[in-house]
Parts: sequence; structure tokens; C-alpha cells
Amino acid sequence: EVQLVDSGGALAQPGGSLRLSCAASGFIFSSYSMTWVRQAPGKGLEWISYISYGSHTIFYADSVKGRFTISRDNAKKLLYLQMNSLRDEDSAIYYCARGSDYGAYVFDYWGQGTLVIVAS
Amino acid sequence: EIVLTQSPGTLSLSPGERATLSCRASQSVSSFLAWYQQKPGQAPRLLIYGASSRATGIPDRFSGSGSGTDFTLTISRLEPEDFAVYYCQQYGSSPTFGQGTKVEIK
Repeated sequence: EVQLVDSGGALAQPGGSLRLSCAASGFIFSSYSMTWVRQAPGKGLEWISYISYGSHTIFYADSVKGRFTISRDNAKKLLYLQMNSLRDEDSAIYYCARGSDYGAYVFDYWGQGTLVIVAS
Repeated sequence: EIVLTQSPGTLSLSPGERATLSCRASQSVSSFLAWYQQKPGQAPRLLIYGASSRATGIPDRFSGSGSGTDFTLTISRLEPEDFAVYYCQQYGSSPTFGQGTKVEIK
């Protein structure tokens, strides 16, 4: 069974840092691209970052470019999101999602989400 | 950035009725459009990709249509578990999502 488990969300201060993790199981992690999507409380979904299966290709949304870094450890089956220079508007539930066999940007499995609150 | 506009914002229907949800793109995305369902407290669930192909395990009461800039998700007969928020997403370029349509019980 495919499983993605998000963790690392917490309360952080503006300007602070957090690192989110996503633990994968039930599939060949090293064969799939991965993505982070976030959802502010009561709001819609926002794609924020993509990493190819071998980490060769990485993209970011403009809203996080230069502040967030996506990475992965295929041996450990882990996806990461390093979040620096946090802002109030980064408060959201963060989901990792798997790029599907239908397309790298079609997300067929999602983690349960981890909550990040940025506040002083 | 391609903007997706979903309508209506809320759809109030009864179980057994037909639901028709619209998604319009600010420029053509060809058929690179997906639909997701999200229930409160849960992650989104993939329903449709390629505008009209059902994902694995999705019941055939869900169908998608359209291409270019205008797309539709149809739920032929609403089941109690179908009341949720539905998002369209384009992946013709850097991915973006619509703002969602809530399907609520009338």
C-alpha cells in the first residue's frame, strides 16, 4: 500500500526556519517525482515545489523561490522541504504528493499534511 | 501563470441529483487538466486526469470533459460520500489550481 507521511510542522516565528519531511513507503520511491502543495486555513491549494525522481530537475513557485529548498534521499525514501525566512503568509497545511504514472504533475497519492503556523 | 476559475462557488444539491462543475482556464491548457476531491480534514484525492480519464478506483459516476480553456466535471448521481470540495488543476505549465467548488447537501 502506498503511504506518504508528512511531519515537521510546527509554530515558527517570522524570519525563522523549519524543515518538513515526507516518509514514503509501498512503492519504488526513487522512480517517482515528488511535489509539495500547501493549503492556507480555509483556502485553496497552491503548488510550491517539484523534484524529479533523481533530483536532476527542481522547480519552485515564485512565492517561495529563494526561501524554500526541496530535496530527497532516495536511499531513505524521504522527501524534504527546508523553509527559511518564513513569513506569516507561509502558514498552511503542507502536503507532499507523488507524481503519477499519468504525468509528473498529476498527483495520485498525498500525505496527510503537516501544519505550519508562522506567528510571533 | 495560468489562472483557473471554477464555478459555481457552491452547489446545493440532493443525493441522487446530477452535479455539473465548471473550470475555465485563462489560456489553453490543451487536455492537461485534473480534478480532485477534498473532504474536511483530508488530503485531496485524484479523480480525473487528462481532462476525461478516470484515475484508478474512481467510480464511473464521475466523468470529465473539455479541452483548451473550458472543462466540466459531472457527477451523474450524487452519493452521500460525494459531498465535498472539488478542485481543478492544470498541468500544461507550472501547475495551478482553481479556487474550488463546494458541493453541499441541499
